[in-house]
Amino acid sequence: QSVLTQPPSVSAAPGQKVTISCSGSTSNIGRSYVSWYQQLPGAAPKLLIFKDDKRPSGIPDRFSGSKSGTSATLGITGLQTGDEADYYCGTWDNNLRAFGGGTKVTVL
Amino acid sequence: QVQLVESGGGVVQPGTSLRLSCAASGFTFSRFGMHWVRLTPGKGLEGVAYIRSGATNQYYADSVKGRFTISRDDPRNTLYLQMSSLRADDTAIYYCARDGPNHDIDFWGQGTQVTVSS
Repeated sequence: QSVLTQPPSVSAAPGQKVTISCSGSTSNIGRSYVSWYQQLPGAAPKLLIFKDDKRPSGIPDRFSGSKSGTSATLGITGLQTGDEADYYCGTWDNNLRAFGGGTKVTVL
Repeated sequence: QVQLVESGGGVVQPGTSLRLSCAASGFTFSRFGMHWVRLTPGKGLEGVAYIRSGATNQYYADSVKGRFTISRDDPRNTLYLQMSSLRADDTAIYYCARDGPNHDIDFWGQGTQVTVSS
């Protein structure tokens, strides 16, 4: 139903690494930069990654982004309990922001 | 610091109208494009509407086209979303968001809940 496709959930133990995929098409990811957002429970989304792989100031380097063709990936290393949240990819599609359905990260 | 504060949400009946507002501060509002994005359980985030700086162009999701209108009042640093012919599937948290220097969303408001129910 969402324009971009993400897995509903991923999980790992503290200290481990998770990756979240985001699949799109030539009309969105294939022609525009990808951003990633973290949404903690009850909070507004927060920008984690912009322009595919850039981090805003204050975002730790445990978070990384990459893109290839019409897919993008968010990586989180050294997983912490505070990383439990929903994560969304976003990009442009037909002059409007398009998002994935969100991925819930659970720290086991 | 950038602040975006939404207001105007509530519980309304199907077929009625509602206007959301977003008060912006901490930046030169007129220089930035602005978005309305909604969050629904099970569907995630959805870009609803976008207005460029100077209000030169507005864009809408197909699901709201013809029913919602995005506008801005630059002297008042305020963004609006006029919603009409509301339906149950418009129920969501509505966020106001700034289109940042890198032409993506860099700041979000806290959101306002809209519930459409009879």
